Amino acid sequence: GAGVSQTPSNKVTEKGKYVELRCDPISGHTALYWYRQSLGQGPEFLIYFQGTGAADDSGLPNDRFFAVRPEGSVSTLKIQRTERGDSAVYLCASSLSGNSPLHFGNGTRLTVT
Amino acid sequence: QKEVEQNSGPLSVPEGAIASLNCTYSDRVSQSFFWYRQYSGKSPELIMSIYSNGDKEDGRFTAQLNKASQYVSLLIRDSQPSDSATYLCAVSSGTYKYIFGTGTRLKVLA
Repeated sequence: GAGVSQTPSNKVTEKGKYVELRCDPISGHTALYWYRQSLGQGPEFLIYFQGTGAADDSGLPNDRFFAVRPEGSVSTLKIQRTERGDSAVYLCASSLSGNSPLHFGNGTRLTVT
Repeated sequence: QKEVEQNSGPLSVPEGAIASLNCTYSDRVSQSFFWYRQYSGKSPELIMSIYSNGDKEDGRFTAQLNKASQYVSLLIRDSQPSDSATYLCAVSSGTYKYIFGTGTRLKVLA
């Protein structure tokens, strides 16, 4: 079946601009995660959704970052007033339940110039 | 102390040899353990999951878990150049939160 789909695959934006990153999880997966990965590092947890609600957003670095999942399926990660330090690969993952293996999308490479 | 620790490598092994990748974790209540493979420029891909002490084998891969020592390892038998990648260890305490190590870069030399 279809895997986790993320769009766009690449996004270049200027410092100060607003960006939205989209994630379409595997059908039937209720758990959805956003991670951020910088070069040479492991994925860093940002936020977790169980259904429509953000069960844990403790990994979001500051209030410029926000994520939604209004219908319990597709999620959007929103970054306001982007900074060069936001440049990274943003990974979305989904799983059947909270203790099942994560299945990652191909990621969105964000570059802030 | 980092929650999940891995040697960053690179770990170089000749083709056909056994590659041994190690991971330690700090949270004693951790219950679920995963190994992911990540090729350069690609996203992590699940290789193995292990939940109880002992060994779990899947093809050329064996995961080993020792909860008393807070240690999980991945053995790759008959290593191939195509196994060259970064291997990420991930740990979950039984809730949703998965903590990843920084990964070990493996190079299999032809």
